[in-house]
Formats: sequence, C-alpha cells, structure tokens
Amino acid sequence: SQQGEEDPQALSIQEGENATMNCSYKTSINNLQWYRQNSGRGLVHLILIRSNEREKHSGRLRVTLDTSKKSSSLLITASRAADTASYFCATDSWGKLQFGAGTQVVVTP
Amino acid sequence: DTGVSQDPRHKITKRGQNVTFRCDPISEHNRLYWYRQTLGQGPEFLTYFQNEAQLEKSRLLSDRFSAERPKGSFSTLEIQRTEQGDSAMYLCASSPGTEEETQYFGPGTRLLVL
Repeated sequence: SQQGEEDPQALSIQEGENATMNCSYKTSINNLQWYRQNSGRGLVHLILIRSNEREKHSGRLRVTLDTSKKSSSLLITASRAADTASYFCATDSWGKLQFGAGTQVVVTP
Repeated sequence: DTGVSQDPRHKITKRGQNVTFRCDPISEHNRLYWYRQTLGQGPEFLTYFQNEAQLEKSRLLSDRFSAERPKGSFSTLEIQRTEQGDSAMYLCASSPGTEEETQYFGPGTRLLVL
C-alpha cells in the first residue's frame, strides 16, 4: 500500500517558473524524503526533512512539513528543462520508505 | 563510481522461468532494501536487511520470492516460476544504518515476463 499521495499528478511549466507539488500521508513518521526519477531510471535523493522540522532548503529546493496536517510540499524555484522528471515523496517509518504515486513535472524551454 | 549497482539492468524471461538479480550496496552501508515499481506508480517496499539479517518482508513478497544477503555485503533477489504480473522495475537501495536515514538507490533491474 502507498502511504503518500502527491498532488498534482502532473504539472507542465515553462523554464524559469516555479513548480510546487504537495504530498499528504496517513500515519506518523520519523522523516519525509523527496526523490526525483528521470524516465525509467533509478531514484535520486533530493532532500530529507525530519518530523521535528518545519522547513528545509537545498539549492533551488524548498520543502515544508506540517505534521499536524500530515502534509508536505516541495517547491522548485527557477525551473530548468533538466528538472523534467517524476517527483516522489516518501515517508520513513522505522527505515521502510512508503512512496506516493508521484508528480510528473515537464519543464519546457 | 561508488554508488549502488544492480545487475542485470534488463531481463526478459518467459513465464515459469526463475530469475535472479544482484545488488551491490555502497561500501560499508549496513542496510539494504529491495523495492518494486510498476509503471506509473511509486516504488513499493519488498524487504530489507540489516547486515546479513533479513528484518522485514512485505506481504507483496510471495513464497516465490526470496532474498539473501549472505555476508552482509551484496544481496540477491530470486523470483521462482515467474508470472506476467512480476514484470516491473526492481530497485535496490542502501543506507548507512546509523542516524542518517537517507536511502541511496541503484539504477534498477527492469524485468519483463512474457
């Protein structure tokens, strides 16, 4: 079963625009992680936010976590064509990651 | 490159055959995980090891699936009597098993059962 649900399922933007995607989950977590996957390839870890953190930044990425609402958001600023990929949130419960179905992001030049 | 590696990258087999996949984790990572991903979905947890001990198995892992990590280094995932529904990407990940919980994924093995 998949714990996380990403919203939207798909997102199409132009280079330079910001992309925001949301993730909701159901049970308590140790941390929440975001991954990127280019077509048919392995997952690349983007950022991890712990359950006692509310916001985290990494380069052009900004992640928020609201444990009271069981939700997280990922913001990609100043998007580039190379950001075209599927983005997954994954909740970590005692080492086991549970992924959502992902948000497919297309960035057009 | 000292990342997680998987072999083979692609496997086509006929229904009923057995297949075995290998995963080499990042050196000195104590934890090793197997996930399965079907088209349009996120990865689903199958099983994980702490060193050579298999600590958890998902209900997705039927009796036809077996995973080993005999020396606490590389791991193998075997599927016996493959079915068409086994067609998927099989992903391996490893983590240090310490306070850092980031899991590092390999490129995956794509299995097609005809």
